[in-house]
Amino acid sequence: DTAVSQTPKYLVTQMGNDKSIKCEQNLGHDTMYWYKQDSKKFLKIMFSYNNKELIINETVPNRFSPKSPDKAHLNLHINSLELGDSAVYFCASSPSSGSTDTQYFGPGTRLTVL
Amino acid sequence: QKEVEQDPGPLSVPEGAIVSLNCTYSNSAFQYFMWYRQYSRKGPELLMYTYSSGNKEDGRFTAQVDKSSKYISLFIRDSQPSDSATYLCAMKISGSSASKIIFGSGTRLSIRP
Repeated sequence: DTAVSQTPKYLVTQMGNDKSIKCEQNLGHDTMYWYKQDSKKFLKIMFSYNNKELIINETVPNRFSPKSPDKAHLNLHINSLELGDSAVYFCASSPSSGSTDTQYFGPGTRLTVL
Repeated sequence: QKEVEQDPGPLSVPEGAIVSLNCTYSNSAFQYFMWYRQYSRKGPELLMYTYSSGNKEDGRFTAQVDKSSKYISLFIRDSQPSDSATYLCAMKISGSSASKIIFGSGTRLSIRP
């Protein structure tokens, strides 16, 4: 059983397009996250939702808009894609937003902007 | 200066060797320390988690934290080819209701058979 799943796994698109990445977790967790990993493997948090409420919103261009329809899903919509958006995007979840809670990562979505 | 510094490697060692991976950090508010392992084209998975200075052992893996020096290490004994991966150190501030993980840039490790 897949704990944290993401679709699509690969996404190749042209500059200026709008695209969405979907994430679902079946662990019953309250908190979900979006991370961006660049070509140098540097993993940085973008957003976090706890029970559908935004709790972490890092310095991310407002072209990126997360949406959490329920606590098991956290989607990421990106408008007007730019070359610099090319990266691997990871979704993660944890039981709560507490300090000691382990985060479980999805397999990633590799986005390439041409 | 980045909050968490990690040597990117790559590090290549023969099978059976002891591996030492290290990170330094600048923010003394970090209280929780983790090591994640990431295989190629996969998501990171938690390997070790500790919140106190000293050593924590789990099988062939030992995590060491020295808060006075702001230095953490991961030791892998009897290294196996299956240990070949990128290892990311990570840290959290305690007591935050919306705690976020700050990751190091990862060290790419290769174990030669």
